[in-house]
Amino acid sequence: EAQVTQNPRYLITVTGKKLTVTCSQNMNHEYMSWYRQDPGLGLRQIYYSMNVEVTDKGDVPEGYKVSRKEKRNFPLILESPSPNQTSLYFCASSLGQGHEKLFFGSGTQLSVL
Amino acid sequence: GESVGLHLPTLSVQEGDNSIINCAYSNSASDYFIWYKQESGKGPQFIIDIRSNMDKRQGQRVTVLLNKTVKHLSLQIAATQPGDSAVYFCAENWRDYKLSFGAGTTVTVRA
Repeated sequence: EAQVTQNPRYLITVTGKKLTVTCSQNMNHEYMSWYRQDPGLGLRQIYYSMNVEVTDKGDVPEGYKVSRKEKRNFPLILESPSPNQTSLYFCASSLGQGHEKLFFGSGTQLSVL
Repeated sequence: GESVGLHLPTLSVQEGDNSIINCAYSNSASDYFIWYKQESGKGPQFIIDIRSNMDKRQGQRVTVLLNKTVKHLSLQIAATQPGDSAVYFCAENWRDYKLSFGAGTTVTVRA
């Protein structure tokens, strides 16, 4: 089954404790992206990757890092999480330029205390 | 700020009626638009898309209308069903590799 898999689904952590949210897709998509979803703000792009070893900032990249060492994986790294990073995070992928038919994962609800 | 927005944050619809969800966009250079549906506890799912050289596109029970003159996008759902209850997002592409999403409209279907 074609899918984007994120882990974990839920995560509670404390300020400053480094964490990684994993994302994997099995569709051989070139484009992958991370979004955060906050009430009333919709989906805002954090980082995206057009292919292996090619990443770029989205609209809200501060406090986040990403890597794309393999085509299928695109982890999101919070080196020193802060409470304002409490949010619902989605990973997405697409075959083409990234602005067409994004496939989303099921989301990771992160709470930073 | 947001370049894409929805007129109403919530919409209540009687089962069997048609739903119309509206979206205004601000960037006249946008050339591609998508509607996504997000059910509770799930990630957004693609519904339908439309390019700026079209003004209407139909799918299964859904129709997207694009009015570039007033920069308005709408999603029409025919014969709304309980399974249509969800949050609906419009998104616009105004430059490569990026989509801008609206805040979403929550549709509730009344039995």
